[in-house]
Amino acid sequence: QSALTQPASVSGSPGQTIIISCTGTSRDVGGYSYVSWYQHHPGKAPKLIIYDVTYRPSGVSNRFSGSKSGNTASLTISGLQADDEADYYCSSFTTGGTVPYVFGTGTSVTVV
Amino acid sequence: QVQLQESGPGLVNPSQTLSLTCTVSGGSISSGGFYWNWIRQLPGKGLEWIGYIYYNGITSYNSSLKSRLFVSLDTSKNQFFLTLSSVTAADTAFYYCARRGYLSRYFDYWGQGALVTVSS
Repeated sequence: QSALTQPASVSGSPGQTIIISCTGTSRDVGGYSYVSWYQHHPGKAPKLIIYDVTYRPSGVSNRFSGSKSGNTASLTISGLQADDEADYYCSSFTTGGTVPYVFGTGTSVTVV
Repeated sequence: QVQLQESGPGLVNPSQTLSLTCTVSGGSISSGGFYWNWIRQLPGKGLEWIGYIYYNGITSYNSSLKSRLFVSLDTSKNQFFLTLSSVTAADTAFYYCARRGYLSRYFDYWGQGALVTVSS
C-alpha cells in the first residue's frame, strides 16, 4: 500500500484557521469511516486528536475538528496557537494490502 | 493514565537482530481488550505499522516484514517485545509502541519512541 498523501507543511498566524488534507483511495480513506489524526511534538509521544473521522477524545481542544469527502480527509485547526506547532499525521484502516492501517506522509505545522 | 515506554539498544549491526521492549504502566496487558502495537517512522518518511500482539499471544504482522518479525509479551512484567532479524540500514527508524482498543480503529496511547540505527 502507498502512504496517504499530506502536504509537507502548512503555516498560519496565531488565531487563524488552517486545514490539513489527507488523500487516500477507496480502499482506505474513502472506503471506511476510520480516519484518525495524531499530533506529534518531536521527542514526545504522538497524541490522538481525532478518531473515526470526526470524534475528539476527551481532553482534546474543540479547536481541532475532522471531516471527510470522498477519498480525502481533513483536519481543521481553528484559533491557531503557538503550541499547535507540531507534526500531524493521519491514519486510516485499510484492506486488501500488507497492513490493516496506513499512515499519512506527515504535515509540519508552523505558527508564524 | 496509561503510559508506554520503549527501551532497547540504539545501535544494531547490519545482519543482526533488533530487539525492543515496551513497558506499559497505568493498565494491565493481561486484562484484555486492547491490541499492543509496534509502529515505526523511517527517516524522511511517514509511519509504518509493524504488527500487534493481544494479551493471549495472538499476533498480526506487516506482510512485508513477516519473515523477519516476532512480537511477544510478558504479562507478569506488563511488557511486550519486538524482534526484527537480519536488519539492514533500511530498518533504521524511530520505533513506537502504541495501544489500540479491541473494537477501535485508532491508536489511543503511544510511547515516545526509540531511535534505532543500523550501522557497523
